[in-house]
Amino acid sequence: DTGVSQDPRHKITKRGQNVTFRCDPISEHNRLYWYRQTLGQGPEFLTYFQNEAQLEKSRLLSDRFSAERPKGSFSTLEIQRTEQGDSAMYLCASSLWGPNTEAFFGQGTRLTVV
Amino acid sequence: ELKVEQNPLFLSMQEGKNYTIYCNYSTTSDRLYWYRQDPGKSLESLFVLLSNGAVKQEGRLMASLDTKARLSTLHITAAVHDLSATYFCAVVWAGTYKYIFGTGTRLKVLA
Repeated sequence: DTGVSQDPRHKITKRGQNVTFRCDPISEHNRLYWYRQTLGQGPEFLTYFQNEAQLEKSRLLSDRFSAERPKGSFSTLEIQRTEQGDSAMYLCASSLWGPNTEAFFGQGTRLTVV
Repeated sequence: ELKVEQNPLFLSMQEGKNYTIYCNYSTTSDRLYWYRQDPGKSLESLFVLLSNGAVKQEGRLMASLDTKARLSTLHITAAVHDLSATYFCAVVWAGTYKYIFGTGTRLKVLA
């Protein structure tokens, strides 16, 4: 499968614990995005990378969230000291560089904080 | 800040009927995307609209873009049950590569 791959697909954690998600983009895609989606809402932008550089981070994102893309390939999203409000689907997408490309989304990681 | 609004939010329609979903956005953009999402699933790309007046069609769905009116439409022709899903439009904010999504339209096609 050459699509965007996310791991794990589901994660249940206790409040206060740290969690880390991984995203493997489509090969050769320079841009990588992270979005969060809660039930009944559209995806909300979190951050994006151009190769290994994190170009933008949402102002809504607290300091508990951090993302990396160390070698410009896969990316990780870490949430520290999880809260119940962090429960959501976390979506990763990737695209080629250029003005007229489209983003392809992975299957997402569903996080439940209990 | 770029805002994207869709209407209606919910749409229940009979099979065989036609309907249009609207997507309005607040600031300049010349790229708009339509995605489909089934319950519990990720987003599937439907259409990429890159210029004013662009029209794309796939099966019973047709999308158009009017950048001057900051409006895109997704028209459904002779709906079938398999089209039941949530449809999102997404606009790329000019000067960035950030996709801003609309609120979504939950479509239910009744047999």
